[in-house]
Amino acid sequence: EVQLVESGGGLVKPGGSLRLSCAASGFTFSSYSMNWVRQAPGKGLEWVSSISSSSSYIYYADSVKGRFTISRDNAKNSLYLQMNSLRAEDTAVYYCARESVTQSFDYWGQGTLVTVSS
Amino acid sequence: AIRMTQSPSSFSASTGDRVTITCRASQGISSYLAWYQQKPGKAPKLLIYAASTLQSGVPSRFSGSGSGTDFTLTISCLQSEDFATYYCQQYYSYPRTFGGGTKVEIK
Repeated sequence: EVQLVESGGGLVKPGGSLRLSCAASGFTFSSYSMNWVRQAPGKGLEWVSSISSSSSYIYYADSVKGRFTISRDNAKNSLYLQMNSLRAEDTAVYYCARESVTQSFDYWGQGTLVTVSS
Repeated sequence: AIRMTQSPSSFSASTGDRVTITCRASQGISSYLAWYQQKPGKAPKLLIYAASTLQSGVPSRFSGSGSGTDFTLTISCLQSEDFATYYCQQYYSYPRTFGGGTKVEIK
């Protein structure tokens, strides 16, 4: 069974940093591109970042470019999102999502809440 | 960035109704479109990919159509468990973008 479990969320002050993790199991992690998608309270879905299976290709939304860094450790079956210079507008539930071979997002974690507030 | 526009943003329907949600892309995306269902407090769930291909395990009352810029999600006979918010997403290019969502409420 495919499982994605996010962790690392919490309350952080504006300007602070946080590192999210996503632990994957039930599939060959190293064969799939992975994504982070966020959802602000009461709002819609916003794609944040993608990383290819071997980390060769990385993409970011303009809203996080230069502040967030996506990475992965295939030996540990883990995906990460390093978030720096956090702003109030980064407050959201952050989901990791597996990108299927057809490029849609076929499995999602349960999400981890990041709250940026003083 | 490709803008995805869904309509309506919300509506009320009754169980047994046939409902259609529309998604329009600001430029052509071929069939690189997915539909997701999200219930309150839960992660999104993939329903349809490649505009019209049903994800494994998704009931056949869900169907998708369209290509280019105009797409539809149809639920042929609304069930109680279908009351949720639906999102379209393009994966034709980066940045990946989602529609604003369509909330289907009980009439």
